[in-house]
Amino acid sequence: NAGVTQTPKFQVLKTGQSMTLQCAQDMNHNSMYWYRQDPGMGLRLIYYSASEGTTDKGEVPNGYNVSRLNKREFSLRLESAAPSQTSVYFCASTGGLVVMNEQFFGPGTRLTVL
Amino acid sequence: ELKVEQNPLFLSMQEGKNYTIYCNYSTTSDRLYWYRQDPGKSLESLFVLLSNGAVKQEGRLMASLDTKARLSTLHITAAVHDLSATYFCAVGPQGGSEKLVFGKGTKLTVNP
Repeated sequence: NAGVTQTPKFQVLKTGQSMTLQCAQDMNHNSMYWYRQDPGMGLRLIYYSASEGTTDKGEVPNGYNVSRLNKREFSLRLESAAPSQTSVYFCASTGGLVVMNEQFFGPGTRLTVL
Repeated sequence: ELKVEQNPLFLSMQEGKNYTIYCNYSTTSDRLYWYRQDPGKSLESLFVLLSNGAVKQEGRLMASLDTKARLSTLHITAAVHDLSATYFCAVGPQGGSEKLVFGKGTKLTVNP
């Protein structure tokens, strides 16, 4: 099992460009998440999806959109990138025993917006 | 609103010493998680604590949970250089919400 995979690993954008970050999991998890990590800020939730077809805003959703394409895939789109969106983006998923709700993380995408 | 506070945020210690990282949270919770992150890497799950008084140990790390005090501790025994990393606690709000709130992390450096 690959677990949680993310593409691309690195990306440089110019202000105003758009891009989509891809995430997929092969653990048959129901819930998937997008976080951003900035120095000194820990992880902050951007969006999450409790199941296929549903999405919900997290702490910092402005400037982002998401799509839960199917149970495996959850994408994050930046429509018009801004320098403030320079960050490391992590996708995570959880499932299995509900009481555990342990999240498993992908390798991350390092995004720089110039 | 659930808030999670870790301290210290930076910890430099010598090999062989013991130390404790603290994770306080502001509202009732029934789940607490500890993660480790190496530089430039992703987060790796260390411990899942699900009940008051829960204690988990792996190697030189031991985590505990006191839900009445809204406090978890991560104790490091006889630190070694390989433990150098950033450690995060994350708390799940009571009621089964799958959203977690993360602390800002404790960057641990173990010096020879």
